[in-house]
Amino acid sequence: DIQMTQSPSSLSASVGDRVTITCRASQGISNSLAWYQHRPGKVPKLLIYAASTLQSGVPSRFSASGSGTDFTLTISSLQPDDIATYYCQKYNSAPFTFGGGTKVEIK
Amino acid sequence: EVQLEESGGGLVQPGGSLRLSCAASGFTFSSYSMSWVRQAPGKGLEWVSYISGNSGSIYYADSVKGRFTISRDNAKNSLFLQMNSLRDEDTSVYYCARGSTIAGRAVEYWGQGTLVTVSS
Repeated sequence: DIQMTQSPSSLSASVGDRVTITCRASQGISNSLAWYQHRPGKVPKLLIYAASTLQSGVPSRFSASGSGTDFTLTISSLQPDDIATYYCQKYNSAPFTFGGGTKVEIK
Repeated sequence: EVQLEESGGGLVQPGGSLRLSCAASGFTFSSYSMSWVRQAPGKGLEWVSYISGNSGSIYYADSVKGRFTISRDNAKNSLFLQMNSLRDEDTSVYYCARGSTIAGRAVEYWGQGTLVTVSS
């Protein structure tokens, strides 16, 4: 099965900072990758699908790129509302594995 | 408005069984794939199982294969997860999840989750 590895597992940044999270697949998955935001006490939220397409209603400070095995999620200017754990998920074929998550905190 | 409401969670002993249900509303249920995703205490999200709109495609994570069965009743807008031979490590919040309109297997909507605790 394809493994999904996220890095870093956690990060601390200041409001306004640019934040980048990486997700690596152990084999190519084309662009079949989604990113989710999971805030404390809330349900997960779809941010990005097809590796780089912003879900409707998601702020434009979120962007993503990648294809094949290497993917990135970028928050251009970190806001207090962005405190959450972020997950990537492959969905090209089963199993639809999530990455281990990246916890984002405010410094 | 899309709504997904899970039920059926609770405390069960190791080796026991539990059946989760998810009542869906606000969309044409039969047109969307559905999944179960879980999160153990202090851990990340784990994909559990997937079922296509017409039940023609069903998949399971290796960790639950042979013990869990996903099913749906399109006439009743309901999704189910039959969980047998439960283990301590199955303790999690279980989310009912609807596939994306565009990227079908990505999850666009989530229920609030139901807690399953496996303990003696």
